[in-house]
Amino acid sequence: QSVLTQPPSASGTPGQRVTISCSGSSSNIGSNYVYWYQQVPGTAPKLLIYRNNQRPSGVPDRFSGSQSGTSASLAISGLRSEDEADYYCAAWDDSLSASVVFGGGTKLTVL
Amino acid sequence: QVQLQESGPGLVKPSQTLSLTCSVSGGSISSATYYWTWIRQPAGRGLEWVGHMYTSGSTKYNPSLKTRVTMSIDTSKNQFSLKLSSVTAADTAIYYCARAPRGDSEKLDYWGQGTQVTVSS
Repeated sequence: QSVLTQPPSASGTPGQRVTISCSGSSSNIGSNYVYWYQQVPGTAPKLLIYRNNQRPSGVPDRFSGSQSGTSASLAISGLRSEDEADYYCAAWDDSLSASVVFGGGTKLTVL
Repeated sequence: QVQLQESGPGLVKPSQTLSLTCSVSGGSISSATYYWTWIRQPAGRGLEWVGHMYTSGSTKYNPSLKTRVTMSIDTSKNQFSLKLSSVTAADTAIYYCARAPRGDSEKLDYWGQGTQVTVSS
């Protein structure tokens, strides 16, 4: 059971816009930044979004992040076949057991 | 370009200690600006933060693993290490090492390729 909650799957057709949600609580998303990672099967995760909505250099602007209250979202516009991957949200959790927590991951399928 | 590479036994017996090393190239591990981090991922499952350490030696561990985890750093070899004691089958996973900027421990900007560790007799 992950601290952050993501839908297990999402899908879209090429060119479409899809969003992936990440739900948490006041001790994590509600008071700290959200980060997103993309993991193509068989490879290491790759940083996609940091501090809610910042993109590392090299990440296309088709990827965007937002945060509101205790929830966050990753949006992918102009969906491409190479976007098919698992996506994870992450945040610091300020509870007694302070640590980095991840969502369970969302498998994105490009139809 | 910073590169990280995990190494260690791929098979560990139950109740024994898992030991992994992460070799860093393209940058000094002595830099005071990074957290050196371990993440693991059981087959078909999500990511779990194991913990991180700072060059000074200060550490922060996942509370669920805290009693069994030890991390250390060897600046002379530009490496950092993970030890996980009293392992069980539940510790079977791909283990990744990664780097995060100080003050931004969730921003894992460089990762190793990962190494599979199986706990089995």
